[in-house]
This record gives sequence, C-alpha cells and structure tokens, in this order.
Amino acid sequence: DAKTTQPPSMDCAEGRAANLPCNHSTISGNEYVYWYRQIHSQGPQYIIHGLKNNETNEMASLIITEDRKSSTLILPHATLRDTAVYYCIVRVADIGGAGSYQLTFGKGTKLSVIP
Amino acid sequence: NAGVTQTPKFQVLKTGQSMTLQCAQDMNHEYMSWYRQDPGMGLRLIHYSVGAGITDQGEVPNGYNVSRSTTEDFPLRLLSAAPSQTSVYFCASSYSYLPGGEKLFFGSGTQLSVL
Repeated sequence: DAKTTQPPSMDCAEGRAANLPCNHSTISGNEYVYWYRQIHSQGPQYIIHGLKNNETNEMASLIITEDRKSSTLILPHATLRDTAVYYCIVRVADIGGAGSYQLTFGKGTKLSVIP
Repeated sequence: NAGVTQTPKFQVLKTGQSMTLQCAQDMNHEYMSWYRQDPGMGLRLIHYSVGAGITDQGEVPNGYNVSRSTTEDFPLRLLSAAPSQTSVYFCASSYSYLPGGEKLFFGSGTQLSVL
C-alpha cells in the first residue's frame, strides 16, 4: 500500500469548513483513498472513499487531485462533535493473495474544533 | 441491528494467563479483522478473515490466535499474555473485502491490561 503523510494536528473554528490534507505521492492508479475518524477512545468510523473522482456524502467531501498524489477531506461546517483523529488510508485495488487485504492506519491528524 | 459487538470492555490479566476476546457481528459481513491500538499510535492489524474457515495474519500476529467457524463470530485468543500486549483491541467487519467494499464497521473496543 502507498504511504500517506498527514499533519499531526489542526484547529478549526466551529461552523467553518475543516480541510484536512493528505499526501500520497507514491499512489498507483488502482489504489483507493479512504478516510476514517476516531473520536476519543471509540472505534474508528468510516467517512468516505474514492478512486479518481471527487466524492461527497452526508458527512464530508473528498477532493482528489488530478495526479492523485494528494487529497483533501472537507467537513463543510465543523461542529464540536467533529473533534477527532482523522486517518487517510490508501489501499491497493487488486484482489491479491493472502496478506494483500490490509487497511493500514497511520497516526492521522488530530482535528480540534474550537468554539 | 447491534452492529459489531465486543466483549469484554475491560480486562486485567496476569502475565502468562490466557483469554479470549469475543467479537460478533450481525450484518452478515464476509470480512472481519482485529486491530490493536497503543497510546499515540495508529491501529495495527493483528489477524483478519475473508470468510468462515479462512484466516490470515496481519502486521502483528505473534502471540495471538484466531478462528472463524461462523460468519458472525471472530474470537481473538491470547495464548500467554505478556505486558507488551497491554493495548486497546478493536474488532472490525465489512460486507466485502473486494476493492471499494472496505467500509469497515468497528466495535467499541476492549481495553486490556497485562500486569
């Protein structure tokens, strides 16, 4: 799986958009980008994923650059409940043999939403 | 639906003791996995299963055993607990292990201390 690089922490004012960047410069053409978040001591929660096109759901938007070397997760109107660690994960799309199916969580970005 | 249920929520063991962490899902998911999370670290994959009767090792499998006799259950066994296994353990499942299908649902975690 391609490596990802995220800033360790970010602040965002409540009600403003939170833009969380992720670099994945070694991504290959068949690798998906996934975003999860983990609210203090809870199990991680799936947010969104994409391959090439931008994606939007009820939680967030995912913007992937044309060269696919980076992406941005956008929370359009951050609330205090969005304070969490956000993980950007890249996983190969091929169906490989044993060991190929792993989602590797790094240290993520700790987002603090400020009142 | 209950989703992914983990038991117990907390456990204290003495070095050398064995125990089983339980994980059950009621969503008929093919894929199940176990992660551990140490302070300040991301999640690390221990073992995973792509269906009943099929298991494989993740990043940190030593000291742990798993089995998958039913679709619903995926217990994690600590054979001889060591202080290095003090961690928070998360079970996760998804409806598919195919690319794009990895929307993982996580349990609430088991906090394990080995003295």
